[in-house]
Amino acid sequence: AQTVTQSQPEMSVQEAETVTLSCTYDTSENNYYLFWYKQPPSRQMILVIRQEAYKQQNATENRFSVNFQKAAKSFSLKISDSQLGDTAMYFCAFMKLFNAGNMLTFGGGTRLMVKP
Amino acid sequence: ETGVTQTPRHLVMGMTNKKSLKCEQHLGHNAMYWYKQSAKKPLELMFVYNFKEQTENNSVPSRFSPECPNSSHLFLHLHTLQPEDSALYLCASSQDSPNTEAFFGQGTRLTVV
Repeated sequence: AQTVTQSQPEMSVQEAETVTLSCTYDTSENNYYLFWYKQPPSRQMILVIRQEAYKQQNATENRFSVNFQKAAKSFSLKISDSQLGDTAMYFCAFMKLFNAGNMLTFGGGTRLMVKP
Repeated sequence: ETGVTQTPRHLVMGMTNKKSLKCEQHLGHNAMYWYKQSAKKPLELMFVYNFKEQTENNSVPSRFSPECPNSSHLFLHLHTLQPEDSALYLCASSQDSPNTEAFFGQGTRLTVV
């Protein structure tokens, strides 16, 4: 079974600054995918960024980038130039390859507050 | 909007009631999921349906009964629930191939009294 751990229940950052959210996971799988999802107060889970485990290059998506360390089983999210709209719960998620649906295992979440 | 619609948005029910949660997607996906989000626990996968067939039941009590009549609709039938079942129930859909994004609905906030 997989486990995903987010050690920071809450974080805050000043608008326009950079913040890094931590995520570690445990698995015996070699091929898998990692995701960061954002859940604003509207409760809608929105995909922020994804990483394939077989790719060494870290994924980037505009102001969002990851630091993927496969050997250390670490997958942190960096948000640059933080904006007020980035205030939300952020969930790290693990997905193993599965032939009958994509099952996600989530971490406990980090509540991020961007301050003006 | 992500293309996944859940109704109702809020539900309050007594422990002896029977109610159903509905999820609908118009994204052409062939896999649908129910997740439970409790206040003090990570999101938990409950059920997976792939091409209308249930492929995963994550040790969910029988008081939760899923139904998937077609690839676009997913229901969660509830009966004789307990107060600890109060949570946000999220529906998601995706293609059943790897590296595809799961799209989530806005959830149903369920309170059992």
